[in-house]
Amino acid sequence: EAGVAQSPRYKIIEKRQSVAFWCNPISGHATLYWYQQILGQGPKLLIQFQNNGVVDDSQLPKDRFSAERLKGVDSTLKIQPAKLEDSAVYLCASSAGASNTGELFFGEGSRLTVL
Amino acid sequence: EDQVTQSPEALRLQEGESSSLNCSYTVSGLRGLFWYRQDPGKGPEFLFTLYSAGEEKEKERLKATLTKKESFLHITAPKPEDSATYLCAVQASNDYKLSFGAGTTVTVRA
Repeated sequence: EAGVAQSPRYKIIEKRQSVAFWCNPISGHATLYWYQQILGQGPKLLIQFQNNGVVDDSQLPKDRFSAERLKGVDSTLKIQPAKLEDSAVYLCASSAGASNTGELFFGEGSRLTVL
Repeated sequence: EDQVTQSPEALRLQEGESSSLNCSYTVSGLRGLFWYRQDPGKGPEFLFTLYSAGEEKEKERLKATLTKKESFLHITAPKPEDSATYLCAVQASNDYKLSFGAGTTVTVRA
């Protein structure tokens, strides 16, 4: 079974530039998550989708971050404009079923460096 | 707000030297507590779910236990391949969101 796919693995940008990350979840998984993991910290949920609807985006900085999940499959996370404090690993995860059982399958992440 | 505190931040062990990691939590009603393993440059990998005080789960050299305020991850006779960061997360009964701790980085020397 293929895992969660993410791209790009690494991205370096200047502050105020924009960046987009892509995620393809495990086939058949209804729930998709984007997490931000700053060095030395645990992952923090940014947004959770159930199929193509948003379940929780309470911790998403909506003035600069946006995310979409078209057709309930893959998803993109965009940051525009980027700030220095956005340097982090952006993790995508998916889970089966309609509710969050806590057993998430994570991708390898996209590491963002903002200079 | 849910809080998860893991200790120690880092743990260096000799191969075969058993030890325990701690995860203390504050949550308004616990739906579940989860342990994940994260290798450098990788995403977290699910290990265990614990739902109620007194519950225990085992997997190879790892054993997770749960009380009303904390969880322990015991590593018995560790091997170098057990080197990783171990993350603890809680899920409150009124919210499906996982709140993660900062993790404990375990290094096992041969």
